[in-house]
Amino acid sequence: GAGVSQSPSNKVTEKGKDVELRCDPISGHTALYWYRQSLGQGLEFLIYFQGNSAPDKSGLPSDRFSAERTGGSVSTLTIQRTQQEDSAVYLCASSITSGPQETQYFGPGTRLLVL
Amino acid sequence: GESVGLHLPTLSVQEGDNSIINCAYSNSASDYFIWYKQESGKGPQFIIDIRSNMDKRQGQRVTVLLNKTVKHLSLQIAATQPGDSAVYFCAENVMNRDDKIIFGKGTRLHILP
Repeated sequence: GAGVSQSPSNKVTEKGKDVELRCDPISGHTALYWYRQSLGQGLEFLIYFQGNSAPDKSGLPSDRFSAERTGGSVSTLTIQRTQQEDSAVYLCASSITSGPQETQYFGPGTRLLVL
Repeated sequence: GESVGLHLPTLSVQEGDNSIINCAYSNSASDYFIWYKQESGKGPQFIIDIRSNMDKRQGQRVTVLLNKTVKHLSLQIAATQPGDSAVYFCAENVMNRDDKIIFGKGTRLHILP
């Protein structure tokens, strides 16, 4: 079966532009997580969805970041007016349900470079 | 693929030797711990987990040890193989209080031929 997929795999953009990152979770997984991984850092939690709702948005670094999930499946993470400090690998993970004891399956990530 | 974590602490181990990767956690309320492995260009992959009511748990070639007294977690990999080269992250959570898993910064394991 297919794992978590993310697109694009790499994105280079200019400062000030908007970008949209996509995550396709494993079919049937109701929980979906977004993380950011900067060079030399661990994974920074951004937001998670249970179904289409986002109980926890506390990790979004600023109001330039937003995410949505429709149909309980695909999610998009949008970064408006990108800044150089947004450059990182953005990872998506899904699990059968939410909760730390549910194994999260990660996608390969989207590598974002803001020039 | 692009390297992740170029400035991470690195552990170099001879192929065939055992590896021990250490992790210190700060939240004394954490009661669930996980180790993830991340190969270059890929997302993290679950390896093994342990709850705070245990101090040791074994998997296939891996053992996780938990010392709650000093808030220390370790991952032991037996007979290290080239495929074990990766960045290893520990993660913690406070069960029944928070759905978030907090990841550490990671350790790069480098296998010497």
